[in-house]
Amino acid sequence: TAGITQAPTSQILAAGRSMTLRCTQDMRHNAMYWYRQDLGLGLRLIHYSNTAGTTGKGEVPDGYSVSRANTDDFPLTLASAVPSQTSVYFCASSDSEDGANVLTFGAGSRLTVL
Amino acid sequence: GQNIDQPTEMTATEGAIVQINCTYQTSGFNGLFWYQQHAGEAPTFLSYNVLDGLEEKGRFSSFLSRSKGYSYLLLKELQMKDSASYLCAVRDNDYKLSFGAGTTVTVRA
Repeated sequence: TAGITQAPTSQILAAGRSMTLRCTQDMRHNAMYWYRQDLGLGLRLIHYSNTAGTTGKGEVPDGYSVSRANTDDFPLTLASAVPSQTSVYFCASSDSEDGANVLTFGAGSRLTVL
Repeated sequence: GQNIDQPTEMTATEGAIVQINCTYQTSGFNGLFWYQQHAGEAPTFLSYNVLDGLEEKGRFSSFLSRSKGYSYLLLKELQMKDSASYLCAVRDNDYKLSFGAGTTVTVRA
């Protein structure tokens, strides 16, 4: 079972360049999320989408944008990368009709901005 | 917003018991989750509490007291493979999860 697929696994990016992190799920979950994980700070929510066609801002949305054109895909775009965006990025999804609404995470994308 | 506190590190011996505490102050509460994360891997779901009390799942148990803003994760009969980070997370009324910084548990032989 694939679950959630993220790409790329790892990327080094020059400051000022744009980058899109891809996320695809095959579980038909309605809700999807992007988190970043930094040492000592834990996982912080960047953007989320409760259903296809809608998106919302999380705790740290500045410098990032998302789109949700269909149920399966939820790409995260950095329009002009800065070194503070160096982090590990996790995409997650959940089925909000499941009472617990448990998040399933992708394997992560490690981004280094120089 | 959410303020979630848990210890940074804990060390225990194989076969022992470890209790990881989590306290939270939130603007809304709709459930508390524990996730396990091995180094370099994705977090995986361990437990979910929405009502007060103890939830037991094999060697792992999780407790919640909503009035005290307090939860703990109890790991029994520790095994080397339990060495990982344990993340406490609180869900708000908009169904968004906020995570604590995580507790790194090291199991020693």
